Amino acid sequence: DAGVIQSPRHEVTEMGQEVTLRCKPISGHDYLFWYRQTMMRGLELLIYFNNNVPIDDSGMPEDRFSAKMPNASFSTLKIQPSEPRDSAVYFCASSLGAGFGQPQHFGDGTRLSIL
Amino acid sequence: AQSVTQLGSHVSVSEGALVLLRCNYSSSVPPYLFWYVQYPNQGLQLLLKYTSAATLVKGINGFEAEFKKSETSFHLTKPSAHMSDAAEYFCAVSDLGGSARQLTFGSGTQLTVLP
Repeated sequence: DAGVIQSPRHEVTEMGQEVTLRCKPISGHDYLFWYRQTMMRGLELLIYFNNNVPIDDSGMPEDRFSAKMPNASFSTLKIQPSEPRDSAVYFCASSLGAGFGQPQHFGDGTRLSIL
Repeated sequence: AQSVTQLGSHVSVSEGALVLLRCNYSSSVPPYLFWYVQYPNQGLQLLLKYTSAATLVKGINGFEAEFKKSETSFHLTKPSAHMSDAAEYFCAVSDLGGSARQLTFGSGTQLTVLP
């Protein structure tokens, strides 16, 4: 079975540029999560969706960050304009069902470097 | 509010020795607990989960964890370490008192296996 697919795997860009990260969740999963991982702050939940609807975006650091889920098989996380402090590994994860015991399945992440 | 504490950010063991990674949680209601493993340049993979069934949970790759309510602990163990176990391990908690479907992750424990 295909897992969560993220693209690109690596992104290097200059400060001020727009960055778009993409995620394809596991087919049939109805929850999608975006995380950011840094050495200093560990894993942080940025936003999550249920059935394509954003449920909690309280972890989104600033208005420069936005996320969309236009359909059940695709989500984007956009940073505009990007700053060096946005450099991190960004993970997308998905899960199935209504139970709190449902595990999240992670993609391999996008390593973002802002110069 | 739920929280997770992982004691020891770095643990080193010799190949063949017992692996013990510690996790303590804080939750006002019965929790769901998870252990994830992250290999270099990869996303998090689920090792095992506790969802209020048996207190001793067996996972993949020979790992297991025991839920101890009296100690609010969910330590991860493996009887005999293998070189391939070198990775970062994350404990996570989810409960009905938290925002729905969110996982709260610990800060991680980097496991080194010495030859």
